Amino acid sequence: GIQVEQSPPDLILQEGANSTLRCNFSDSVNNLQWFHQNPWGQLINLFYIPSGTKQNGRLSATTVATERYSLLYISSSQTTDSGVYFCAVGGSSNTGKLIFGQGTTLQVKP
Amino acid sequence: NAGVTQTPKFRILKIGQSMTLQCAQDMNHNYMYWYRQDPGMGLKLIYYSVGAGITDKGEVPNGYNVSRSTTEDFPLRLELAAPSQTSVYFCASSYSALAGAGELFFGEGSRLTVL
Repeated sequence: GIQVEQSPPDLILQEGANSTLRCNFSDSVNNLQWFHQNPWGQLINLFYIPSGTKQNGRLSATTVATERYSLLYISSSQTTDSGVYFCAVGGSSNTGKLIFGQGTTLQVKP
Repeated sequence: NAGVTQTPKFRILKIGQSMTLQCAQDMNHNYMYWYRQDPGMGLKLIYYSVGAGITDKGEVPNGYNVSRSTTEDFPLRLELAAPSQTSVYFCASSYSALAGAGELFFGEGSRLTVL
């Protein structure tokens, strides 16, 4: 099945810094989503982005499907950005199956 | 609009017991999922469903069963609980008119401990 790798596994930032999180996948996809899991365990959908670029406030994401990667950009980070960021992908041969990466744990220090 | 509702939120089971985790969504979503998350790890797909009456295995289906008799409900059954099933279980749903899921919405999770 499709493999998903996220990097870096851990990231520590000072408040106000920018960061880039990466998601690599091993096969063609028709679905890619980014999620934030806050310190209380709640999972929030950030982007549905199988291709192209989207922006939502300080967050933006880009998926280059032909090169099998996606990037999540966090600008002017805040302490509330802390938590784990996951990408999930659905292969183009499947109808609905979504596989998660291992996540990037982000800590933003004040 | 409640979204995705999971019950119970917490449960302790003894080895060999069985139980059902309930999941309901009120958004008329056609896709529903069950994931488990072990401490410090990512989410592993247990089972998923693309519509009522249709279910399929995910990455880690052994020891679990599901059914999807209605659009709204997607219960997960644990038979003969084992310590390896200690985890946090998340239910999720999405809507898509095309092949492949849409934006995924998660429930708050159910923390299960097997002793």
